[in-house]
Amino acid sequence: DGGITQSPKYLFRKEGQNVTLSCEQNLNHDAMYWYRQDPGQGLRLIYYSQIVNDFQKGDIAEGYSVSREKKESFPLTVTSAQKNPTAFYLCASVRDSSEKLFFGSGTQLSVL
Amino acid sequence: GIQVEQSPPDLILQEGANSTLRCNFSDSVNNLQWFHQNPWGQLINLFYIPSGTKQNGRLSATTVATERYSLLYISSSQTTDSGVYFCAVGSSYNTDKLIFGTGTRLQVFP
Repeated sequence: DGGITQSPKYLFRKEGQNVTLSCEQNLNHDAMYWYRQDPGQGLRLIYYSQIVNDFQKGDIAEGYSVSREKKESFPLTVTSAQKNPTAFYLCASVRDSSEKLFFGSGTQLSVL
Repeated sequence: GIQVEQSPPDLILQEGANSTLRCNFSDSVNNLQWFHQNPWGQLINLFYIPSGTKQNGRLSATTVATERYSLLYISSSQTTDSGVYFCAVGSSYNTDKLIFGTGTRLQVFP
């Protein structure tokens, strides 16, 4: 099955803890994205990557970090510097900017 | 940066009704996409439509890039159409970065 897999579905973070959200795609897409969605709101861009070993900050990158060591994988780390991390996190990928963007099923992150 | 506004914010329909959702954007775009988010949070891509008109079953979309708006038409609505509809745009200066609107929440009742 081709698609984008996000894990875990639900994640809980303690104060001062870093947590990592996984995103894997087997669509052979070059570009990958991380978005944050707060209740009743739209999606805001955290980070994106067009090629392996390269990524750019989106509009709300503070308190987050990413890596792109493999084409298939784009993990997002929510660091302790992110003071309000509770949100729904969505990973997406696309072959190139002239095609449709596809999303994973999301990870709900909550703070204990 | 580019601003994206969607209207109406909320829409309540009875099954079988038609509706039009609007997306206005503040700058020139080379990328525009429509998405449906179901009640479980999954986002489905409906259209890639930076200009022109496309149809897919009961859904169709039109983008008039020169006037900076796009419309999504839903005909003969069904309860399964409920959810939130998002418009996302990429400006002509950076098509790699898709900016989302705040969405239109649609509820369809039987």
